[in-house]
Amino acid sequence: NAGVMQNPRHLVRRRGQEARLRCSPMKGHSHVYWYRQLPEEGLKFMVYLQKENIIDESGMPKERFSAEFPKEGPSILRIQQVVRGDSAAYFCASSPSTGASGNTIYFGEGSWLTVV
Amino acid sequence: GQQLNQSPQSMFIQEGEDVSMNCTSSSIFNTWLWYKQDPGEGPVLLIALYKAGELTSNGRLTAQFGITRKDSFLNISASIPSDVGIYFCAGSSGNTPLVFGKGTRLSVIA
Repeated sequence: NAGVMQNPRHLVRRRGQEARLRCSPMKGHSHVYWYRQLPEEGLKFMVYLQKENIIDESGMPKERFSAEFPKEGPSILRIQQVVRGDSAAYFCASSPSTGASGNTIYFGEGSWLTVV
Repeated sequence: GQQLNQSPQSMFIQEGEDVSMNCTSSSIFNTWLWYKQDPGEGPVLLIALYKAGELTSNGRLTAQFGITRKDSFLNISASIPSDVGIYFCAGSSGNTPLVFGKGTRLSVIA
């Protein structure tokens, strides 16, 4: 009964490169969320997706960041032309599709991005 | 936007002591969740609350959804060393993404 799977766990990129973070939701979950956590901070919402749809991207920077959740395959968070300030832990979470439990989200183990 | 105020920011307690932490929000929520995060790991769900006044336990952990729907608390009884970590509250009004508090960092002195 696999949980939310994220990869890579750790990623190092030079300034200006692209970072791609992948997330496979829990089995049976069709909603995916991405959160960012800076050191010593809480989690900040970035984007909420369902299959092939972005539902809410109000927390995602307008430039350089994009997210997708295709019909087949994992959700991808892409950061283009990374800068040092992008260094953070990026967490993916998923939830069931309906009911009160639809508000309960389960997290993956995170992807730690370091920009050098 | 919605804001959560979580307190205390950090706690140092003796092993065996009880712990209490709480969250208040600027708006009404219909879901309160409590997570624990260990260093280098993702947050792990501890307790989920869906109704005002609801009191739910998970082992030595007890959490309540406040009657006003603007607050929640988490209690840990008889703390042990493995309780060390950062505890986050999170809430949602249903049609908005989960909002997280800044966390309570718990240290347990054996």
